[in-house]
Amino acid sequence: AQTVTQSQPEMSVQEAETVTLSCTYDTSESDYYLFWYKQPPSRQMILVIRQEAYKQQNATENRFSVNFQKAAKSFSLKISDSQLGDAAMYFCASPNRDDKIIFGKGTRLHILP
Amino acid sequence: EPEVTQTPSHQVTQMGQEVILRCVPISNHLYFYWYRQILGQKVEFLVSFYNNEISEKSEIFDDQFSVERPDGSNFTLKIRSTKLEDSAMYFCASSEFSGGVTEAFFGQGTRLTVV
Repeated sequence: AQTVTQSQPEMSVQEAETVTLSCTYDTSESDYYLFWYKQPPSRQMILVIRQEAYKQQNATENRFSVNFQKAAKSFSLKISDSQLGDAAMYFCASPNRDDKIIFGKGTRLHILP
Repeated sequence: EPEVTQTPSHQVTQMGQEVILRCVPISNHLYFYWYRQILGQKVEFLVSFYNNEISEKSEIFDDQFSVERPDGSNFTLKIRSTKLEDSAMYFCASSEFSGGVTEAFFGQGTRLTVV
């Protein structure tokens, strides 16, 4: 079965610093997508960044970037220049072939002023 | 920017009552999903829907639940005879292609409280 694992239930980072959230996954697919979703206190689910497994280049969206290690099945999210508005739950996710998105348990990120 | 809209944002219901959660997916999307998140826990898949039928459902999605696309725009989740443990945040999502190809766009969620 496809699994997504986030081993850090909570993390804290000083404002303006950089933080990395970890995610590992397991899949038998050769081509797949990986996502990071942000869930702020409003409880919305907001797509932060996505990575296509066949692309070797790591995805980047402004202050957000990923470190995708396909062989290790690792997909970490790096947030640079952390801002107070980045405080949220972050979910790593991957769709399976049955159109079901599998989510990790989430990492709660605190931004310290 | 197009978005998925869910109503109501918060629903309180008596145990045993039926509730209908409503969603308006993005207009050109073909795949629709419901997820739920019990407070403090992970996001769980409930059901996916394509071409007017369920394409996949989880073990959570038992006979108590049903989905419907009553017209060209709405996508509903009906929960019959609600139980206390149905209290959760329910998210609707839609995607243009199957989940393996592109991202799913999520609505803002409906917080269901069963009392």
